[in-house]
Amino acid sequence: DQQVKQNSPSLSVQEGRISILNCDYTNSMFDYFLWYKKYPAEGPTFLISISSIKDKNEDGRFTVFLNKSAKHLSLHIVPSQPGDSAVYFCAASLISSGSARQLTFGSGTQLTVLP
Amino acid sequence: ETGVTQSPTHLIKTRGQQVTLRCSSQSGHNTVSWYQQALGQGPQFIFQYYREEENGRGNFPPRFSGLQFPNYSSELNVNALELDDSALYLCASSRGTLGLASYEQYFGPGTRLTVT
Repeated sequence: DQQVKQNSPSLSVQEGRISILNCDYTNSMFDYFLWYKKYPAEGPTFLISISSIKDKNEDGRFTVFLNKSAKHLSLHIVPSQPGDSAVYFCAASLISSGSARQLTFGSGTQLTVLP
Repeated sequence: ETGVTQSPTHLIKTRGQQVTLRCSSQSGHNTVSWYQQALGQGPQFIFQYYREEENGRGNFPPRFSGLQFPNYSSELNVNALELDDSALYLCASSRGTLGLASYEQYFGPGTRLTVT
């Protein structure tokens, strides 16, 4: 049972244009959502997060939108740069039994920004 | 501020053997979580340690066990290795207050384990 889904395994975008990465979730107990970027041979790098009580959070070129009624979030990157080429993971956080904060990840989207 | 470090980088083991992976948390962080990332998938939560105790566990069998030390570093031990245990093992650290960890977790580079 995949509670967090990223349905697009890959996305190609021209440099300078907008990249939109999408994520769907099923568990309404998630209270925070995060985006991570991963380069080969490195661990995931935290990018941006959003609380479930918000619908938008911005940080520089990165904006995350949350639609709770649709259980959908998206990451917008504007403008896209070649250095943004990486695998992007959507993750959702909840407090599991025993008070642990666990992250549930999607399967990732490979973003390629073409010069 | 030092980031999360993990050792070793790569490891090859034989089915049935035991393995220990190590993690040093980011300075100022007292909570460590371990994740398994199989090829082509997102990381999966194994367990979390706070103040040297396991405070939550994902859907992994008891042959996956861990430790956290007073300096907040951590070990992941896997007994009776199976071929399906081949994966990237990621450690993540976060700040915990009053028994509850922050939702923001910062990851190390991982240990690539191959079981043959």
